[in-house]
Amino acid sequence: DTGVSQNPRHKITKRGQNVTFRCDPISEHNRLYWYRQTLGQGPEFLTYFQNEAQLEKSRLLSDRFSAERPKGSFSTLEIQRTEQGDSAMYLCASSVGRNFQFFGPGTRLTVL
Amino acid sequence: GQNIDQPTEMTATEGAIVQINCTYQTSGFNGLFWYQQHAGEAPTFLSYNVLDGLEEKGRFSSFLSRSKGYSYLLLKELQMKDSASYLCAVTDSNYQLIWGAGTKLIIKP
Repeated sequence: DTGVSQNPRHKITKRGQNVTFRCDPISEHNRLYWYRQTLGQGPEFLTYFQNEAQLEKSRLLSDRFSAERPKGSFSTLEIQRTEQGDSAMYLCASSVGRNFQFFGPGTRLTVL
Repeated sequence: GQNIDQPTEMTATEGAIVQINCTYQTSGFNGLFWYQQHAGEAPTFLSYNVLDGLEEKGRFSSFLSRSKGYSYLLLKELQMKDSASYLCAVTDSNYQLIWGAGTKLIIKP
């Protein structure tokens, strides 16, 4: 399968715990995006990378959120001290430059 | 501010035609996308418009009027599998995607 993959697909955690998600983009795609989506809403932009450089980060992203793409390939999104409001679907997408984005299946986070 | 408006929900009958509208107000415009999203799944790309006019792709067509800040997605010969949310997204002057909340389309037999 050469699409975008995300792991885990589902994560249940207790409030205050740290969680980390992984995204593997399509191999030749240089851009990688992270979004958050809640029920009945469109994806909300969090951050994006061009190769290994994090070029933009949403002002909505608190200091508890951090993302990395160390070698310009896979990326990780970490949420520290999770809160119930962090419960959402976390989507990763990749693209070649500014072309349309291919989305991964998402990681559904539930914070109890 | 930047804003994308689309109806929250629409209902249509199997075999019929439905038009989903999208209006936008963004800082700059570098293209408009339509994505389909089935419940619990990721969005999948349907169409892209950057110039005015109609783009046809099988049963799906997308129209754009940049002067009116308006687009629509037209779905013909509706099938039950078309039941999904349809998301309109606009690329602004910084090439960032601004997303609408999506239109939930319900197909009835």
